[in-house]
Amino acid sequence: DTGVSQDPRHKITKRGQNVTFRCDPISEHNRLYWYRQTLGQGPEFLTYFQNEAQLEKSRLLSDRFSAERPKGSFSTLEIQRTEQGDSAMYLCASSLALAEGDEQFFGPGTRLTVL
Amino acid sequence: AQTVTQSQPEMSVQEAETVTLSCTYDTSENNYYLFWYKQPPSRQMILVIRQEAYKQQNATENRFSVNFQKAAKSFSLKISDSQLGDTAMYFCAFMMRTGGGADGLTFGKGTHLIIQP
Repeated sequence: DTGVSQDPRHKITKRGQNVTFRCDPISEHNRLYWYRQTLGQGPEFLTYFQNEAQLEKSRLLSDRFSAERPKGSFSTLEIQRTEQGDSAMYLCASSLALAEGDEQFFGPGTRLTVL
Repeated sequence: AQTVTQSQPEMSVQEAETVTLSCTYDTSENNYYLFWYKQPPSRQMILVIRQEAYKQQNATENRFSVNFQKAAKSFSLKISDSQLGDTAMYFCAFMMRTGGGADGLTFGKGTHLIIQP
């Protein structure tokens, strides 16, 4: 098992364009999380899936953001009509969640730069 | 809403010294989890140590231990015999116990720990 992977690692886009990021969790993990981390800050929770169901969305997740997890495996995070304020590191994490409070394993992140 | 505060943006100690990183949090909940995560430069975040709020005993993991003061809402991390590889950003994080519902982490802003040779 190679851990949580994210693709791409870096993305540069122009304001107004749409971008999509992919996260592949650890294979047996049923929970998947998306976070956003801006420079000098800790990660901020965006959304959470248990299997294919999206169970929680932060108020940070505006209507330009959408996340999916078809078939409960990989997940995608799409940002439409990107703005400069969307520039950040987008982190994905997964957990097995045999019990609450289980460790979340983080991926390397996708660094988005909006010009 | 929960908040996590790390009041030390940066700390620097000599190798082999002991260092303590501070974390306070605010919540009205009684059941929750607290974590310390480490984010080395250009590498992914990894869990250092975890504490269940209902446990009075402080968690320890080798050179890492916590001082959990529930009444004071304080959760500090002590690193003993610090090593060069401990250089990283350290984030304190809170997770509410929801009975199986959403359990995203709430992070502090982090402390940049530098271990000097």
